[in-house]
Amino acid sequence: NAGVMQNPRHLVRRRGQEARLRCSPMKGHSHVYWYRQLPEEGLKFMVYLQKENIIDESGMPKERFSAEFPKEGPSILRIQQVVRGDSAAYFCASSPGSLLGEQFFGPGTRLTVL
Amino acid sequence: SQQGEEDPQALSIQEGENATMNCSYKTSINNLQWYRQNSGRGLVHLILIRSNEREKHSGRLRVTLDTSKKSSSLLITASRAADTASYFCATSGAGSYQLTFGKGTKLSVIP
Repeated sequence: NAGVMQNPRHLVRRRGQEARLRCSPMKGHSHVYWYRQLPEEGLKFMVYLQKENIIDESGMPKERFSAEFPKEGPSILRIQQVVRGDSAAYFCASSPGSLLGEQFFGPGTRLTVL
Repeated sequence: SQQGEEDPQALSIQEGENATMNCSYKTSINNLQWYRQNSGRGLVHLILIRSNEREKHSGRLRVTLDTSKKSSSLLITASRAADTASYFCATSGAGSYQLTFGKGTKLSVIP
């Protein structure tokens, strides 16, 4: 049973470009969470999605960031017009349900904005 | 401000010694989890302790939870060089699915 998959593992973008980060949850998991980790910091919650629904995006910046989890395919975190401050590690986690249990994390995508 | 704060920020010990890391939090929780992160890698779930539990064991790991003091500790016994990593506590509140992480303790185990 494969774990949470994220790709790409490393992504380099120039300022103003778009970044698309993908996350495939574990088999049987329908809940996906995105977190961002700045250097030497803990993870910060960004958004929680179920299939075709955004449940909570309270941790996501209002502008330039969007997330989706379509009926088919991976969850996508999209960052438009990236800036240097977007450089970070972005982690996706999944769970079979939302009820306060373990979240299984992917290996992360490290975004570098030049 | 951060919900979880780990202490110490960094810890260096000799192989075979025990390592103790602490976590404090501010608001009521439903459960508290500990994760390990090797440098540049993803997070590995270590243990979950619910608010009505006081102590939990898993192999060489022992976690305690004191809800009256809003604190938890993670003890790693007989440490190994492979335990070198950053350790994070993460809390979730009643009815919440968000995990709130602290900044972590960076543990170095010297062979």
